[in-house]
Order: sequence, then C-alpha cells, then structure tokens
Amino acid sequence: GAVVSQHPSWVICKSGTSVKIECRSLDFQATTMFWYRQFPKQSLMLMATSNEGSKATYEQGVEKDKFLINHASLTLSTLTVTSAHPEDSSFYICSAIGLEAQFEQFFGPGTRLTVL
Amino acid sequence: DAKTTQPPSMDCAEGRAANLPCNHSTISGNEYVYWYRQIHSQGPQYIIHGLKNNETNEMASLIITEDRKSSTLILPHATLRDTAVYYCIANAGGTSYGKLTFGQGTILTVHP
Repeated sequence: GAVVSQHPSWVICKSGTSVKIECRSLDFQATTMFWYRQFPKQSLMLMATSNEGSKATYEQGVEKDKFLINHASLTLSTLTVTSAHPEDSSFYICSAIGLEAQFEQFFGPGTRLTVL
Repeated sequence: DAKTTQPPSMDCAEGRAANLPCNHSTISGNEYVYWYRQIHSQGPQYIIHGLKNNETNEMASLIITEDRKSSTLILPHATLRDTAVYYCIANAGGTSYGKLTFGQGTILTVHP
C-alpha cells in the first residue's frame, strides 16, 4: 500500500513554543489530508481536513488559530501547534487519500508531542 | 456517520479465526462499512470496506447482514501480530468522505 510519513516521530517542547509536524505522502499524490489527535487510552478525534491549495476545514471545537494547517502541495501537509501548552500533549496522526485509491485512507505513523 | 457499537475486548487463540462483530443499526443506504486497526502507538491501518456484499481481501473477510444493521470482520488465521484495536466505521462519502469517526473499537488480543 501507499506510504505516509510524519516528521518528527516525537517531540518535546517547552510551554509557549510552537511545533511544526510534517505529513508526507511518499509514493502518491494526496488530494486530501486529514489530521487526527489521540489522547492516551482514547480514540482518534478528527481535527481538520486539508485540501491542497485551499484553507483547511476544522472540526467543531478545534481552534484554527492554534492549530495551523498548510497543504502546500499534493504530497505535503503541515500542522503547526502554536503556543503549545501541556494540555496539547497528544499523539497527532495524519492521513491521506490519493487520487486512485479513493476508498482507502492511508495513515501516518503518528507524532508524539509532549509539552513541558 | 451512523453510530457503531463494538465489544470492548475479545480474545483469540493464535491460528484460529477471529470474528469481530459490529452493530450499525442506523446505517443509511449510502454508508459504507469500513474496518481499520491500530497497533499500539502506530497510525491506523485500513483493512477492508463494504457496502452490501460480503468482501474478502488478503487480510480479512467482511460479512454484512442482509439488512445491513450489523457486520463481522473475520481474520481467518489470527497471529500474534494481529493484536490491535479494531475499529468499525460507517462513512457515507460525499462531503463527509474520509472524515472518519472512530469509536472506542475492540481490543483484540491474540494469545499463543
């Protein structure tokens, strides 16, 4: 299957700083990418939908000014957590849908964010 | 997306078939049933999906009841590597396509 990578795989930062997470589709073009968040012992929660060249669509309750999403190309989407606080510590996972495999959503390995 | 209900946990012996049930009694006619799994601390992995007919691929089989109110994911010969959280998701596509609503899933433990 197609591969989606995330970088970094884990990051530790101080409270108040910003952190950028990259999501790349390695061998296919992703028309749409999604960002999920998963707290310990909980399920994945969709944060936003990202389409190349357009503004992301955020789910209810997700602060768009805090979680900045950029989808500059068909293979790259970035999530920036601005002014991170300890409550933002979570497992962030991206996923992508390609042009051809419309029913299969490919997930990245996730990024573990810890805010001290 | 229609709400899905799954047992919180199941056990299976290695080499035996694992049958994971899912109830989706309010599923609408245009909603597909998707199955994903998540191994600890990794991103979810697509397994299979279906609309009305039973489906089979190299990973699993999906049996959907005729009224579409429930389905069963079958892993024919479970291995220790199949230990994971399995999610059953109903998704219609269209404007909601890809916006998957993950429930709590079923924790499948495969033991030797």
